[in-house]
Amino acid sequence: GAGVSQSPSNKVTEKGKDVELRCDPISGHTALYWYRQSLGQGLEFLIYFQGNSAPDKSGLPSDRFSAERTGGSVSTLTIQRTQQEDSAVYLCASSLTGGLPGLAGGQQFFGPGTRLTVL
Amino acid sequence: KQEVTQIPAALSVPEGENLVLNCSFTDSAIYNLQWFRQDPGKGLTSLLLIQSSQREQTSGRLNASLDKSSGRSTLYIAASQPGDSATYLCAVYSGGSYIPTFGRGTSLIVHP
Repeated sequence: GAGVSQSPSNKVTEKGKDVELRCDPISGHTALYWYRQSLGQGLEFLIYFQGNSAPDKSGLPSDRFSAERTGGSVSTLTIQRTQQEDSAVYLCASSLTGGLPGLAGGQQFFGPGTRLTVL
Repeated sequence: KQEVTQIPAALSVPEGENLVLNCSFTDSAIYNLQWFRQDPGKGLTSLLLIQSSQREQTSGRLNASLDKSSGRSTLYIAASQPGDSATYLCAVYSGGSYIPTFGRGTSLIVHP
């Protein structure tokens, strides 16, 4: 597609339920990032996938959070047993090769995000 | 650990004003600094990228400067327009990481 897409755009769930958020990166992009943006907070890095390498999970806040990327393309972020503090906008980004912006292929392109509300 | 602060948190100005958004960071050993724009319900759009060896970048009515030694960057918007209304985010790449540290953003409203 023309850009990074995410679904659903909005998700309302009850505390304790599991949710899955989907990200479709730009075709051909090998790197994929998940971020969380809580109200009044900056974007917080969650996880990074690059090609076939083991993902960088250093930003995941707890073991209730997990993500996978199938076939090097679509990624799913799963939050188990959701809590009210999980309410946030979850943003996905992809880049051609990963690495730093300013270097070839390092520019990150962001999706519109999924707004998650946990009641 | 890198920390990024943006001031002001919110700004409301009449159309036509020139304005300055500020970004400060605690670790001056940065590789790149990037300014993004975020519109409601949309993702981030990159505005300007300044590499560590550069002092400023310009794009149209936007000018971003970087002073590594003082840990500061400014985004200058000339002749502001209502269409400039958005949240502006500063992101810093440091410590060899490909993962940026973001500030909390400045919410800008330009009213006609």
